[in-house]
Amino acid sequence: GDSVTQMEGPVTLSEEACLTINCTYTATGYPSLFWYVQYPGEGLQLLLKATKADDKGSNKGFEATYRKETTSFHLEKGSVQVSDSAVYFCALSDTSAGGTSYGKLTFGQGTILTVHP
Amino acid sequence: DAGITQSPRHKVTETGTPVTLRCHQTENHRYMYWYRQDPGHGLRLIHYSYGVKDTDKGEVSDGYSVSRSKTEDFLLTLESATSSQTSVYFCAISESKGGRETQYFGPGTRLLVL
Repeated sequence: GDSVTQMEGPVTLSEEACLTINCTYTATGYPSLFWYVQYPGEGLQLLLKATKADDKGSNKGFEATYRKETTSFHLEKGSVQVSDSAVYFCALSDTSAGGTSYGKLTFGQGTILTVHP
Repeated sequence: DAGITQSPRHKVTETGTPVTLRCHQTENHRYMYWYRQDPGHGLRLIHYSYGVKDTDKGEVSDGYSVSRSKTEDFLLTLESATSSQTSVYFCAISESKGGRETQYFGPGTRLLVL
């Protein structure tokens, strides 16, 4: 079945440091890949997505590139801020909802990021 | 904002009592989902719906049932709550663009079963 593996956390960084959160996946079809962010006490927000190989998703200074050859979708940011402190989830949706997956998401376990001033 | 609300937002209940959580959407999305979030597990799918009265089980469906009698409402019921069902529950809808689906989440319901 489908699965998503995220790097072990928590991750603690100083402000303006570079961030990489690793995410690798296994899927049987042609998945879409997502990063969601959860700020303390809130629900999940879509951060970025990519729907096919070599696509790059980007938002709020974060980027991730869909690498089919390495089955990876690593999240990167060049300079983190205190306000980026949150839990980050990598997820995949295998094929479209018009197929048999109905758009269901498979999540990684989440990575807690704490950024200190 | 995908127009998703969840009620209640917080609930404390006792073991053995029935509990119903409600998810309401305002944008006529066909697909709806219930997930639970637990430390170390990310989010796990409980049940999903692909239309009115069309539902199916997810990864962790034991002890849960769902109903969808209207497009806008998707109900999750714990028939007899257990302490292992203490969790944060999220509802989601799926929006289709270019044949690809993207899910958007509600604010969550925090459930404590004593």
